[in-house]
Amino acid sequence: DQQVKQNSPSLSVQEGRISILNCDYTNSMFDYFLWYKKYPAEGPTFLISISSIKDKNEDGRFTVFLNKSAKHLSLHIVPSQPGDSAVYFCAARNTGKLIFGQGTTLQVKP
Amino acid sequence: DTAVSQTPKYLVTQMGNDKSIKCEQNLGHDTMYWYKQDSKKFLKIMFSYNNKELIINETVPNRFSPKSPDKAHLNLHINSLELGDSAVYFCASSRVGTVNTEAFFGQGTRLTVV
Repeated sequence: DQQVKQNSPSLSVQEGRISILNCDYTNSMFDYFLWYKKYPAEGPTFLISISSIKDKNEDGRFTVFLNKSAKHLSLHIVPSQPGDSAVYFCAARNTGKLIFGQGTTLQVKP
Repeated sequence: DTAVSQTPKYLVTQMGNDKSIKCEQNLGHDTMYWYKQDSKKFLKIMFSYNNKELIINETVPNRFSPKSPDKAHLNLHINSLELGDSAVYFCASSRVGTVNTEAFFGQGTRLTVV
C-alpha cells in the first residue's frame, strides 16, 4: 500500500523549458513534504520542502506547490538545466518518518 | 568531509552468509535511519534510532538487526542472507524536533546476494 506515488517514471524536457514533476499521496495526516534529488551511485540529497499549512514554497529555480484537497504535490523547475538531470523523489512525513515515492527520472536535453 | 558515510559501497556475498554495513554521521544529528531501495525503486524505511534508542522498526525480518553504539553510528547486521535481500541500502540522519527535518543520506551500499 503505497501512500506516496509518483506515477510518471520518467520525464524529458528541453533545456530552458519548465520541468513539472508530480506526486500524489493518500494519507491526510502527512504534515510535511519534501523533494529529494538523486544522481547515480549517490544518496538522495534534499532539494526543497513545504509544510502542510502552506500551498507554495519557492527557492531559486525550484518551486513546490501543494494542493491539499487533491492530495497532490508538484515540483516546478524553471528554467531547466542539463545538470538537473537526475531522479527526483517526493517524500511525505508522518510521525517522524519519511515515506518516499518511487522517483521520476528527469532528463534535460541541451 | 563526508556528512553521512557508509561502508562498504558494494557488497557481493553468497546466500546464507552474515554481513554488516556500517554507517557514521558527523553532523551532530541525534536521529539515524536505515532505508532500503528495492527493485521497484521505492525507498522504504527499515529502522530509526534516536540517541541510540530504537524508535521505528518497520516490518522487517528479524534477520536484520541494527546496532547503535553511539548517536553518530548506526550499523546494520544481516544474518542468513537471502536472494531477496539484494537491494541498495541507504543510511540517513536528521535532527529531530526542528521544523526543517530533512534527512541527509549516505551514498548507499549495493548488496548483491548470489
